[in-house]
Parts: sequence; C-alpha cells; structure tokens
Amino acid sequence: NAGVMQNPRHLVRRRGQEARLRCSPMKGHSHVYWYRQLPEEGLKFMVYLQKENIIDESGMPKERFSAEFPKEGPSILRIQQVVRGDSAAYFCASSPGTSGSRGPETQYFGPGTRLLVL
Amino acid sequence: LAKTTQPISMDSYEGQEVNITCSHNNIATNDYITWYQQFPSQGPRFIIQGYKTKVTNEVASLFIPADRKSSTLSLPRVSLSDTAVYYCLVGGGYQKVTFGTGTKLQVIP
Repeated sequence: NAGVMQNPRHLVRRRGQEARLRCSPMKGHSHVYWYRQLPEEGLKFMVYLQKENIIDESGMPKERFSAEFPKEGPSILRIQQVVRGDSAAYFCASSPGTSGSRGPETQYFGPGTRLLVL
Repeated sequence: LAKTTQPISMDSYEGQEVNITCSHNNIATNDYITWYQQFPSQGPRFIIQGYKTKVTNEVASLFIPADRKSSTLSLPRVSLSDTAVYYCLVGGGYQKVTFGTGTKLQVIP
C-alpha cells in the first residue's frame, strides 16, 4: 500500500507565476489535509478536505490560495501569482475518515513539496 | 483547540531515556493527546496517542496524569536516529490538529 504521494518534490517559480501542488492520499483514505511549514517553524494548518468538499479552510489565506479534492484524481493546492513569502514546504496528509473514531485520526504525511519563489 | 507548550529543545546521550513534557492546561473533555515525530526534510510521522493514564507501543510510552493538563512522551534508550522534532498535539474527533513549534531533540554520541 503506497503512502501519501506528493509531486513535484521541488518547485521553482518566479514571482507572479502559478504553483500547483498535487497530493495523492493513501489508498482508501477520503480525508486530505494541507499544511505549510516555514524553515525552523512548526506546521501551520491550511485546509481540510473530503472528496468534493472543503470542510475547513480557516488556515488558508483569503486570496491567491485555493484547494480541491475532486471525486477522481489527486488533491490540488493552487497558489496564484506567487510571492517570495510563499516559499515554504507544503505537506499533505491523509486519513481514513472512519466513522466512530474517538480520537483524532492518525494523519499520514507525504514527503512534502518545497516551493521556492524567485 | 487546546494550546500546547513544550520545551524548544533537548539534548540527550545515546542509550538514555528521554522524557518530553507537554503542557495543555485548557484541554477539553473529548480531547486526545497525540505525538508526532519529524525528521529534517520529511513529513511528520505518528508516534503515539492517548486519552488518560499510560499508553505504550513499540516506539514510546505516553504518561497522562489524572488532571490531563500535561503529558509526557518517554523514549527509551534513544539512538542517534531519534534526533528529530517532536510535536505534542491536542484535539478530538475529526478536528484539524494544530502543530506548535515542537521540541527539537538532539541525541549525542
């Protein structure tokens, strides 16, 4: 069973370009989470999605950022008109979404995409 | 979501037991305590989760006192490969988990 896959692993963009980050959850997982991590800092929650639904986007900047998790295919985190401050590692995690879980579901993380904005 | 406080960094020699304590004074009744480990340039990895008293698995033990306002992650006989950042998280159900800055553990030969 393959783990969470993210691509690309490294992405370089110039200011004003668009960045598209992809995340394929573990097989059978229906919940996806995106996090951003700046150097020497902890992970900051961005958005929580289920198939075709955004459940919680409270950590997502209001402008330029969007996320989707379509019925088919990977989850996409899209950053429009990137700026230097967007340079960071972006991690995706997935969980099974099993009903009846008493505690927070274990999140399985991908290797991350390191975005560098020049 | 309950806020957590943990030491920024710790050093330990190989073979020693390491205890990392996390404070979570405003933990809610339905909150669980979860610890993750993160190596450089990798995503975090689940270590252990508990609600009260003691939980043990093949990697670590988690001690939670009766008032649940703190918890202690115990790593037995650490090795150099345990050098990582350790995050304490508090939350329940499907809620998003919030990662703080974690504790950077450096294991010394």
